[in-house]
Amino acid sequence: EAGVAQSPRYKIIEKRQSVAFWCNPISGHATLYWYQQILGQGPKLLIQFQNNGVVDDSQLPKDRFSAERLKGVDSTLKIQPAKLEDSAVYLCASSLAIGRTYEQYFGPGTRLTVT
Amino acid sequence: GEDVEQSLFLSVREGDSSVINCTYTDSSSTYLYWYKQEPGAGLQLLTYIFSNMDMKQDQRLTVLLNKKDKHLSLRIADTQTGDSAIYFCAESTGNNNDMRFGAGTRLTVKP
Repeated sequence: EAGVAQSPRYKIIEKRQSVAFWCNPISGHATLYWYQQILGQGPKLLIQFQNNGVVDDSQLPKDRFSAERLKGVDSTLKIQPAKLEDSAVYLCASSLAIGRTYEQYFGPGTRLTVT
Repeated sequence: GEDVEQSLFLSVREGDSSVINCTYTDSSSTYLYWYKQEPGAGLQLLTYIFSNMDMKQDQRLTVLLNKKDKHLSLRIADTQTGDSAIYFCAESTGNNNDMRFGAGTRLTVKP
């Protein structure tokens, strides 16, 4: 079974630029999560999708971050404009259904450096 | 908000047992988890325990949960150099089982 795929793996941008990350979840997984992991900290949930609907985006800085999952499969996370404090690893995860966090699988992450 | 806390570092010798500790504050936690993260990789779920259990054992891993003290531990028996990684404790609650992670414990295994 293929795992959660993310691209790019690394990205370096200057502050005030825009960036987008892509995630392809495990086939058949209805729930998709985006996490932000700042160096030295645990992952923090940014947004959770159930199919193509948003379940929880309470921790997403909506003035600069946006995410979509148009067809209920792949998802993109965008930052516009980026700030220095956005430097982090952005992790995508998926699970079969909402609430089944104990079956959540993580991708390798995208490491973003904002200079 | 609710917190999950872990010590940051642990160093053991190969063949010894490792015990990684975690405390949490949310008394309504439903599940508690241990994840492993190796350099440059995503998080790998090692094991999880439902909040009405006291202990769970899976090969070299033993999870102990003291719900009264809100304390979770992970014991790795016969620790190997390949166990060197960062270990994250996490808890979830609610209908969505939204997860909250600790900052991670870096385990170093010396030969």
